[in-house]
Amino acid sequence: AIRMTQSPSSLSASTGDRVTITCRASQGISSYLAWYQQKPGKAPKLLIYAASTLQSGVPSRFSGSGSGTDFTLTISCLQSEDFATYYCQQYYNYPRTFGQGTKVEIK
Amino acid sequence: EVQLVESGGGVVRPGGSLRLSCAASGFTFDDYGMSWVRQGPGKGLEWVSGINWNGGNTGYADSVKGRFTISRDNAKNSLYLQMNSLRAEDTALYHCARSHIVVAGAFDIWGQGTMVTVSS
Repeated sequence: AIRMTQSPSSLSASTGDRVTITCRASQGISSYLAWYQQKPGKAPKLLIYAASTLQSGVPSRFSGSGSGTDFTLTISCLQSEDFATYYCQQYYNYPRTFGQGTKVEIK
Repeated sequence: EVQLVESGGGVVRPGGSLRLSCAASGFTFDDYGMSWVRQGPGKGLEWVSGINWNGGNTGYADSVKGRFTISRDNAKNSLYLQMNSLRAEDTALYHCARSHIVVAGAFDIWGQGTMVTVSS
């Protein structure tokens, strides 16, 4: 199975900050990567697919980039509602695999 | 409203069985692939199993292969997960998730989940 490794595992940031989360795949996955946001007690929400395509309804402050093995999720201007845990997921092959998550906390 | 509602979770002894259900509404169910994704207490997301639109193609995580069976009934707009030989490590919140219509490997709609606890 392809291993997805996110960094950092957690970070503290303030409203208005620019935040970057990285995701590395153990082998090349082209652009077959999605990002999700999950808040406590809630189901995950799809933010980005195909590494850089914003899901409908997701604010433009979220962006994704990368291909092959290295990917990033950027939040350009952190808002209060963005404090959550973020997961990357590859769909290059089966089994689908997720990163371990990055928790974005309030500084 | 597009919605997925899971049911069937509960407490079961190791070695026991459970059948989870997911009721879909608000969209044309047989246009989409579906998956089950679980999340252990305080842990991350783990894809468990997936099925294509007509049930002709299925996939499983290595951790559940041979023990779990995914199926669907398009006439009932429902997805199922038969779980046999349950282990303590199967304890988790089980979500059903809809595959994105353009990018089948991403999941654009999720249910709130049903909790499975495997304990003696």
